[in-house]
Amino acid sequence: EDKVVQSPLSLVVHEGDTVTLNCSYEVTNFRSLLWYKQEKKAPTFLFMLTSSGIEKKSGRLSSILDKKELFSILNITATQTGDSAIYLCAVYNNDMRFGAGTRLTVKP
Amino acid sequence: EAGVTQSPTHLIKTRGQQATLRCSPISGHTSVYWYQQALGLGLQFLLWYDEGEERNRGNFPPRFSGRQFPNYSSELNVNALELEDSALYLCASRFWTGVSYEQYFGPGTRLTVT
Repeated sequence: EDKVVQSPLSLVVHEGDTVTLNCSYEVTNFRSLLWYKQEKKAPTFLFMLTSSGIEKKSGRLSSILDKKELFSILNITATQTGDSAIYLCAVYNNDMRFGAGTRLTVKP
Repeated sequence: EAGVTQSPTHLIKTRGQQATLRCSPISGHTSVYWYQQALGLGLQFLLWYDEGEERNRGNFPPRFSGRQFPNYSSELNVNALELEDSALYLCASRFWTGVSYEQYFGPGTRLTVT
């Protein structure tokens, strides 16, 4: 059975810290892995990864995929309170399968 | 470009009633996905419509159904509502980037069953 597992489920840090969120997957016909940030309602798109070892970067956020070991990480450096959210990892094969998310809380 | 829209924003129903939720994808997108996000849980895949047809459904009972109209908007119907159906229902519009698919989400409908 296809599955996407995120860890940790919850994380509390202080402003300025660096965090690493993990996403491992077991799916057939892998096509891409996506990261989303969900604050109040709709998840907003962060990154799409299709190739191993190529880092995607956007400001303080970066992500990389390892298709051999079947995982991805999302790094956030110099965290800010506005980074507090649920971060969702999703894998697209024949449909989109989401992990349970990591709830990140950044304290001032 | 307008994003994915959903209506209503909030919906309150009593147990046993039926609920109808609506979604309009981004213009030009033909695929619509529906997800349920219960409190404290991740997104659970419900239904996928493409070109007017149901392409796949998640592990939900048949009282969850829907359809897609010729203009690609979609409706999710939940019959015989149960308390545990209370959740945020998200609709997503899918498009092909040339390499893979991306999904963009609507703002969601918060369904409360009392």
